[in-house]
Amino acid sequence: DGGITQSPKYLFRKEGQNVTLSCEQNLNHDAMYWYRQDPGQGLRLIYYSQIVNDFQKGDIAEGYSVSREKKESFPLTVTSAQKNPTAFYLCASRRGLSRASGANVLTFGAGSRLTVL
Amino acid sequence: QQQVKQSPQSLIVQKGGISIINCAYENTAFDYFPWYQQFPGKGPALLIAIRPDVSEKKEGRFTISFNKSAKQFSLHIMDSQPGDSATYFCAASEAGRRALTFGSGTRLQVQP
Repeated sequence: DGGITQSPKYLFRKEGQNVTLSCEQNLNHDAMYWYRQDPGQGLRLIYYSQIVNDFQKGDIAEGYSVSREKKESFPLTVTSAQKNPTAFYLCASRRGLSRASGANVLTFGAGSRLTVL
Repeated sequence: QQQVKQSPQSLIVQKGGISIINCAYENTAFDYFPWYQQFPGKGPALLIAIRPDVSEKKEGRFTISFNKSAKQFSLHIMDSQPGDSATYFCAASEAGRRALTFGSGTRLQVQP
């Protein structure tokens, strides 16, 4: 089955530690995204990548880093510089950026819940 | 800067009733308006979407109404069922631009 796999599903971090969330897709989608979800705030864009070896900051990139070395993979590192990292993190992908039917549809993974102890 | 404002934050509807969720946007360059449904512990999934060249789109019990002049769009769920209980997000994007901008979400509870 095609889809997006995020791991781990639950992660606990001590203050001062960096953690990396994995996101893998087998949909052959060009664009990939990381969103952060907090209660009552919807989904906020952290980083996105439209092609391999290229990525751009979203609205709340401070304290996060990403890489896109392969089309299928877009890992997110939550660094110690992120002051309030406890949240639900969602990875998504999209086939392309054209107006063609279906190209705009975001496919999401099941999410990773990060808790800082 | 909140470009897509969603209301209400939560909604309780009786089984068989109509659920209505509203969104308003500011960016007139937006040209794609989807609604996503999210169940607890899961990622959101596309429910229905509309482009501004039509005023209404219906898929089963779900209808999007779009008012371009007012820069508003809404989701109507007819004959609401307990299985519709979820969080609903409206969103918007510009053609070829970076990503969807999401509303803050509405938690819908349909009581049996």
